[in-house]
Amino acid sequence: QQQVKQSPQSLIVQKGGISIINCAYENTAFDYFPWYQQFPGKGPALLIAIRPDVSEKKEGRFTISFNKSAKQFSLHIMDSQPGDSATYFCAASSIREGGSEKLVFGKGTKLTVNP
Amino acid sequence: KAGVTQTPRYLIKTRGQQVTLSCSPISGHRSVSWYQQTPGQGLQFLFEYFSETQRNKGNFPGRFSGRQFSNSRSEMNVSTLELGDSALYLCASSLEGESGNTIYFGEGSWLTVV
Repeated sequence: QQQVKQSPQSLIVQKGGISIINCAYENTAFDYFPWYQQFPGKGPALLIAIRPDVSEKKEGRFTISFNKSAKQFSLHIMDSQPGDSATYFCAASSIREGGSEKLVFGKGTKLTVNP
Repeated sequence: KAGVTQTPRYLIKTRGQQVTLSCSPISGHRSVSWYQQTPGQGLQFLFEYFSETQRNKGNFPGRFSGRQFSNSRSEMNVSTLELGDSALYLCASSLEGESGNTIYFGEGSWLTVV
């Protein structure tokens, strides 16, 4: 059972464009939603995270939008750059059900930003 | 500050053998968790240790085990290796009590089972 569904699997964007990656979850106990960025040969690195008490969080060019009623959250990358080309993972965890270290990940989105 | 360090980075094992992977967390971090990453299944939680105790376990068979030492360093062991165990094994550490418990990953250990 896939608890976090991520789309699209791959995404190609032109430099300067907006990249949008979507995730949907099923478990209403989830209360922590991070996004990770992974470059080839490297481990995932935390990009930005949100809790369900806010609907949006912005850090630089990266924004998470969160819709609790729809059980969906998305990552927006503004002014996408070739250096943003990587695989992005959404994840979720529950303090009650395993703690925030027990992350459930989406399948990932491979983003390519063309110059 | 040094990041999460995993050793070895690459290894090849034969079916039926066992393997031990090592992880040194970020200094001061007391929680260590392990994840398996494969192209088909993605990132999957294996287990988490805190203060030498297993606090959480994922849905993996008993062939997968781990432990944590008093200095927070951790090892995971896979016995009776199967071809399907070929994967990138990622260790992550976090500082208990930090808001959101940000998890920091190492670069992983690439295991190939032949």
